[in-house]
Amino acid sequence: EDKVVQSPLSLVVHEGDTVTLNCSYEVTNFRSLLWYKQEKKAPTFLFMLTSSGIEKKSGRLSSILDKKELFSILNITATQTGDSAIYLCAVDDWTQGGSEKLVFGKGMKLTVNP
Amino acid sequence: NAGVTQTPKFRVLKTGQSMTLLCAQDMNHEYMYWYRQDPGMGLRLIHYSVGEGTTAKGEVPDGYNVSRLKKQNFLLGLESAAPSQTSVYFCASREAGGIYEQYFGPGTRLTVT
Repeated sequence: EDKVVQSPLSLVVHEGDTVTLNCSYEVTNFRSLLWYKQEKKAPTFLFMLTSSGIEKKSGRLSSILDKKELFSILNITATQTGDSAIYLCAVDDWTQGGSEKLVFGKGMKLTVNP
Repeated sequence: NAGVTQTPKFRVLKTGQSMTLLCAQDMNHEYMYWYRQDPGMGLRLIHYSVGEGTTAKGEVPDGYNVSRLKKQNFLLGLESAAPSQTSVYFCASREAGGIYEQYFGPGTRLTVT
């Protein structure tokens, strides 16, 4: 059975701290790994990773994928209260001519205190 | 562009009642998805569609039906609502033919009493 596991499931930090979110996966036909941020409503897209070792960056957020060890990390440096959210990891499990679907982890709740 | 929209935003049903949730997208996406999100469970796929007139089951399809009569709309139906279907429902869409992210709607909060 396909599986995406995020850790930790929740984290409370102070503004300015650096956090690392982990996502490990086991899927049948890996195509890509995606990170989403969910505040009050819809998940919003952060990164898509398809190749090992290539870091994606956007401001204070960065992410990298290791396809050999089957995991990804999402780093947030100099955290701000606006980073408080649920962070979702999802893996695109694709079968040719068949289903195209994302398998989501349970999400990681980050709380950044002032 | 409105992106992905969902109707209604909130609904309260009594056990046994039926309802339909509407998802609409204006991005000309081929693929559309319905998820439910429960505390501590992440997002779980209910049904999805890879094109107009097609539907397929996801991880948790029981108790739900879907239809995709028009490319821009994806309907999720509950024929006889149960308290276990109390959840937040999200619709998503994406382009076909490559590796693309999914775009999510704002969600529908459904309570079944």
